[in-house]
Amino acid sequence: DAKTTQPPSMDCAEGRAANLPCNHSTISGNEYVYWYRQIHSQGPQYIIHGLKNNETNEMASLIITEDRKSSTLILPHATLRDTAVYYCIVRPLNYGGSQGNLIFGKGTKLSVKP
Amino acid sequence: GAGVSQSPRYKVAKRGQDVALRCDPISGHVSLFWYQQALGQGPEFLTYFQNEAQLDKSGLPSDRFFAERPEGSVSTLKIQRTQQEDSAVYLCASSLAQRGPYEQYFGPGTRLTVT
Repeated sequence: DAKTTQPPSMDCAEGRAANLPCNHSTISGNEYVYWYRQIHSQGPQYIIHGLKNNETNEMASLIITEDRKSSTLILPHATLRDTAVYYCIVRPLNYGGSQGNLIFGKGTKLSVKP
Repeated sequence: GAGVSQSPRYKVAKRGQDVALRCDPISGHVSLFWYQQALGQGPEFLTYFQNEAQLDKSGLPSDRFFAERPEGSVSTLKIQRTQQEDSAVYLCASSLAQRGPYEQYFGPGTRLTVT
């Protein structure tokens, strides 16, 4: 079972920041938080990951709370092309065998509206 | 560079037929994963390869499902005697290495419809 909880859906106005929350209260010390998204009819796409520090790349920012029990993915200026299902996943750093696979939940369906 | 490719993109099979789904991972990627995604659900793990070795097949739903990666690059997922409940999108992903926080790169998937 997925170790994360996300709202099933969210709306965001085009050009505004989209803030997607994720709860992972049972996360272990050696587990990373990963975010993927899946645009309709495509395979999942990696966005960002982090351990305990906030991270930023060209796609998004990841804010992880100090206790690491929750995180927020921020898309700073959402566009219509950001409409997708966003998945928050926890995954151990050092893994072997099946621990390397991703355990997806149902994610958050983000709809960016003009 | 080239990403993960899968073929065919769409497959319609009559119940009882055998099907073979192909995955071409990113060149040099050691790890290869297969996932199954039912309509409206997130992807679910099927099996994992490290080079040519199948290290985990715990997610395969039945012994009708078989996967191979004989030369450590291209992989094939075979489903024998397809059933309607096998209808889903089958996703392949590859990753640079087994250990470390390496992201997985997914292909576009093969949509299998069993009639």
